[in-house]
Amino acid sequence: NAGVTQTPKFRVLKTGQSMTLLCAQDMNHEYMYWYRQDPGMGLRLIHYSVGEGTTAKGEVPDGYNVSRLKKQNFLLGLESAAPSQTSVYFCASSLGTGNTGANVLTFGAGSRLTVL
Amino acid sequence: AQSVTQLGSHVSVSEGALVLLRCNYSSSVPPYLFWYVQYPNQGLQLLLKYTSAATLVKGINGFEAEFKKSETSFHLTKPSAHMSDAAEYFCAVNVGGSARQLTFGSGTQLTVLP
Repeated sequence: NAGVTQTPKFRVLKTGQSMTLLCAQDMNHEYMYWYRQDPGMGLRLIHYSVGEGTTAKGEVPDGYNVSRLKKQNFLLGLESAAPSQTSVYFCASSLGTGNTGANVLTFGAGSRLTVL
Repeated sequence: AQSVTQLGSHVSVSEGALVLLRCNYSSSVPPYLFWYVQYPNQGLQLLLKYTSAATLVKGINGFEAEFKKSETSFHLTKPSAHMSDAAEYFCAVNVGGSARQLTFGSGTQLTVLP
């Protein structure tokens, strides 16, 4: 079971460069998310999607764009990277609220991005 | 609005000692509560979840948590710490099952001393 796969795992960028992080899930989950994790701040939601072709802003969306053209993939783009975007990025997916109403997320292993 | 507060960003215990990680939540409606664990260089994994079926919830690896409405708490415990429990632990709250409204605490780093 691959679960949630993120690529690349590591990336170093210079300020102003662009890049795309790819997230793929093989669990047929409807919901997908991108979080960033910074020391002492927990996880903060960047963007999310509740289905193929839909995206929505989370808590910290500025400087990022996303696309969900296929149900199994969720792409996170940085058009012009800034040092403040140095972070560890996590993709997650879920079935949604299901019968219990609890939204249980499955996470990828993370992508560490450094912007110089 | 909902929020989660984890008391203590770092907790150290001796191997074999009780583990207690604290989580308090704020929510205007009955919440769903979660504990996730993150081992070094890995993503988060679900430890356990509270969905109102029972106030004492048992999870993986011997962990459990008790929902106390009167104290708005959902503390995580384990009777006897093992070296392999060293990790970062996150409490999270989800209100109404909304895709967006899943809020994480800032995390507690657990160190287990030999």
